[in-house]
Amino acid sequence: QKEVEQNSGPLSVPEGAIASLNCTYSDRGSQSFFWYRQYSGKSPELIMFIYSNGDKEDGRFTAQLNKASQYVSLLIRDSQPSDSATYLCAVNVPGNQFYFGTGTSLTVIP
Amino acid sequence: DGGITQSPKYLFRKEGQNVTLSCEQNLNHDAMYWYRQDPGQGLRLIYYSQIVNDFQKGDIAEGYSVSREKKESFPLTVTSAQKNPTAFYLCASKKRQGPGRGVPEAFFGQGTRLTVV
Repeated sequence: QKEVEQNSGPLSVPEGAIASLNCTYSDRGSQSFFWYRQYSGKSPELIMFIYSNGDKEDGRFTAQLNKASQYVSLLIRDSQPSDSATYLCAVNVPGNQFYFGTGTSLTVIP
Repeated sequence: DGGITQSPKYLFRKEGQNVTLSCEQNLNHDAMYWYRQDPGQGLRLIYYSQIVNDFQKGDIAEGYSVSREKKESFPLTVTSAQKNPTAFYLCASKKRQGPGRGVPEAFFGQGTRLTVV
């Protein structure tokens, strides 16, 4: 079983809609959770970080964590064409290993 | 400015040749990581190091080797035993998680694109 699993998509949403990205993880001892955005040919960049249950909001982005269900999600409100990218879920597991999911490709259609 | 630097940006390897990818950071981070990314795929962990002179295998370590002689440096060697090395290689560093340490995000270099010719 992979440490981190994501729906690879592709996911397409119209401009202005809400994009919902999901991620599950296998290690219950996982301590912190990250969402990275990666444009084609570029390095990933951090979008959101969350470590406690509940929601965390930053501008148009909301991260949601449910440790009981081992589930973390990212909502992007008022999606823009510039949000079109691959979104990677990452998990910091005990031992400080840092695992990424396969990524979800998002396309925002003008 | 603090950051993490990978070189070269592009690298071409002949069959049977070993090549070394450089990764240097001046962020004073303890942990460093090497990932491989194939087209349309996520990041797969090759090796990671928590401290100088210590490193552990990730999920796809076969055909690769690393060293961590200095805190700032974590070079990756792609050996001839790696039969399909063409990929995008990313190095990352991360500070430890803990009270007062801030967000333990991973910072990435700009990547090295390796091609077998």
